[in-house]
Amino acid sequence: GDSVTQMEGPVTLSEEAFLTINCTYTATGYPSLFWYVQYPGEGLQLLLKATKADDKGSNKGFEATYRKETTSFHLEKGSVQVSDSAVYFCALSREGAQKLVFGQGTRLTINP
Amino acid sequence: GAGVSQSPSNKVTEKGKDVELRCDPISGHTALYWYRQSLGQGLEFLIYFQGNSAPDKSGLPSDRFSAERTGGSVSTLTIQRTQQEDSAVYLCASSSIAGSSYNEQFFGPGTRLTVL
Repeated sequence: GDSVTQMEGPVTLSEEAFLTINCTYTATGYPSLFWYVQYPGEGLQLLLKATKADDKGSNKGFEATYRKETTSFHLEKGSVQVSDSAVYFCALSREGAQKLVFGQGTRLTINP
Repeated sequence: GAGVSQSPSNKVTEKGKDVELRCDPISGHTALYWYRQSLGQGLEFLIYFQGNSAPDKSGLPSDRFSAERTGGSVSTLTIQRTQQEDSAVYLCASSSIAGSSYNEQFFGPGTRLTVL
């Protein structure tokens, strides 16, 4: 079945550090890929998305590129801030199926 | 406009009792989803509604779990004879686009269920 695997956390970085959170997927067809973020005390929010191969999703300084050849959708940010501290979830939605399949989540803490 | 709302925000119940969790989707959203977030299992899909029908119930963990949606709007997730392993945060989401792989879902704040 469909699955998403994220790099294990927690991840702790200093402010202004470079961030990468790895995400790989297994799915039939051509899924859409997403990163969702859950800030402390808040609900899940869509951070960015990509719907086809080689698409780059971006938002709030975060980027992820849909790589079909490596079945990956790694999340990157060049300079993280304390306010980026949150749990990040990689997810996919396969064409013809409505549900989101999530990775296990990566807790990110940014220290000042 | 208003986002997805869920009630109650917290529910504590005794093992064996029934509980009902409510979700109000974003107005006009035809698709509605229930997920469960627990420490051991991460974020799991439970059920999906398109209008009032549920084409995908594949994530419901047992026949103690059921859900309905009325008027293409509000949905209720019912758990009968609750067990301690049902303790989790139950999330509802809605989306306006169905039948497409572009599936941006908007999530509610969740209901935290604790079964004693």
